[in-house]
Amino acid sequence: EAGVAQSPRYKIIEKRQSVAFWCNPISGHATLYWYQQILGQGPKLLIQFQNNGVVDDSQLPKDRFSAERLKGVDSTLKIQPAKLEDSAVYLCASSLAPGVNSPLHFGNGTRLTVT
Amino acid sequence: AQKITQTQPGMFVQEKEAVTLDCTYDTSDPSYGLFWYKQPSSGEMIFLIYQGSYDQQNATEGRYSLNFQKARKSANLVISASQLGDSAMYFCAMREGNTNAGKSTFGDGTTLTVKP
Repeated sequence: EAGVAQSPRYKIIEKRQSVAFWCNPISGHATLYWYQQILGQGPKLLIQFQNNGVVDDSQLPKDRFSAERLKGVDSTLKIQPAKLEDSAVYLCASSLAPGVNSPLHFGNGTRLTVT
Repeated sequence: AQKITQTQPGMFVQEKEAVTLDCTYDTSDPSYGLFWYKQPSSGEMIFLIYQGSYDQQNATEGRYSLNFQKARKSANLVISASQLGDSAMYFCAMREGNTNAGKSTFGDGTTLTVKP
């Protein structure tokens, strides 16, 4: 099966600019996640979708971050305006179901550098 | 409070030897799953092994086994016969069933270096 697709792979922007990341999950996976991974740390959940509804966005900085999953398939994460501390790898993951026994399948991530 | 704690920032192991990576967790939910993921320097996150809170036996997947001690709330990963390709960052994660809508929480990881 095809894995989780993410683009772009790398992005360099200046602070206060905007940026968008795209993710296409594994076919049939109802649950989609966006994680932020700062260098040397574990992934931190930004937002979780179940189909096209938001399940958890408690750690999403909503003043600058937004995400959508139209039609319950692919998803876009946007940052506007970007800050220096947003420099990180943004990982998209999907799982077949939100159940406790369902592992996450990750994309290769987008490495964002804000200068 | 930290939900997942990995106390070893870095570990070294000789090729062909076994190594244990520590993970403790904190939850009051009776239904949860514990996972280990591997992240090589290339950045992809790879699922290794899963243990359910109600599972009676420790999970095993090839050279990976999970030492699950429920009363101690620990879920250590054991890698047997280490290979150079095992050098990577390893993350312990937990999904809680009745709370948090199956959200996965990760530890800060352990960097494993396998020496030839």
